[in-house]
Amino acid sequence: LAKTTQPISMDSYEGQEVNITCSHNNIATNDYITWYQQFPSQGPRFIIQGYKTKVTNEVASLFIPADRKSSTLSLPRVSLSDTAVYYCLVGAGGGGSYIPTFGRGTSLIVHP
Amino acid sequence: GAGVSQTPSNKVTEKGKYVELRCDPISGHTALYWYRQSLGQGPEFLIYFQGTGAADDSGLPNDRFFAVRPEGSVSTLKIQRTERGDSAVYLCASSAQGLGGELFFGEGSRLTVL
Repeated sequence: LAKTTQPISMDSYEGQEVNITCSHNNIATNDYITWYQQFPSQGPRFIIQGYKTKVTNEVASLFIPADRKSSTLSLPRVSLSDTAVYYCLVGAGGGGSYIPTFGRGTSLIVHP
Repeated sequence: GAGVSQTPSNKVTEKGKYVELRCDPISGHTALYWYRQSLGQGPEFLIYFQGTGAADDSGLPNDRFFAVRPEGSVSTLKIQRTERGDSAVYLCASSAQGLGGELFFGEGSRLTVL
């Protein structure tokens, strides 16, 4: 199971772009990278998933370099409502014995 | 329902009591997961169901914890002889796919053992 490392916390200001990087040096060939967001008193919510290069949706972008040993979640122009904990997960998408495993995540605080 | 529903949202019990936590997944989702989350930590995996069977229960901390999903839909997490260390938020998630598919979480059941 690929271990992930991400910063414990980050601070930003409204309107700024926020990039959260996750390291996963022993990612396997068939592993996908998935990010979840969690607000206080709620369960985590899926944000984005990718395998390589770049993935973009209405919420965020995910950048994955060619060696796939890290990934960066990019949140454009954050607002106060983006204050949450962000989790990076690495594992096989759609098969095998992968159980989604959460670390401590990155606590993002957006300031006015 | 539209999302994953968990009941009760809050449960306060005394040490040694028996507790049941219920999860109603999104209709049609075959995969169901239970996680436990303590303050300041990420969700910790407990058990995974594919249909009616527990496909992986390796995360259950001890034999006081048990979960069922008799008809492949609603699941109940059962905790016997509760201890203060069992206090946490218990999260349920369901997925339309098997392992690795997008998880849809409920809001959790907050258990406090006095």
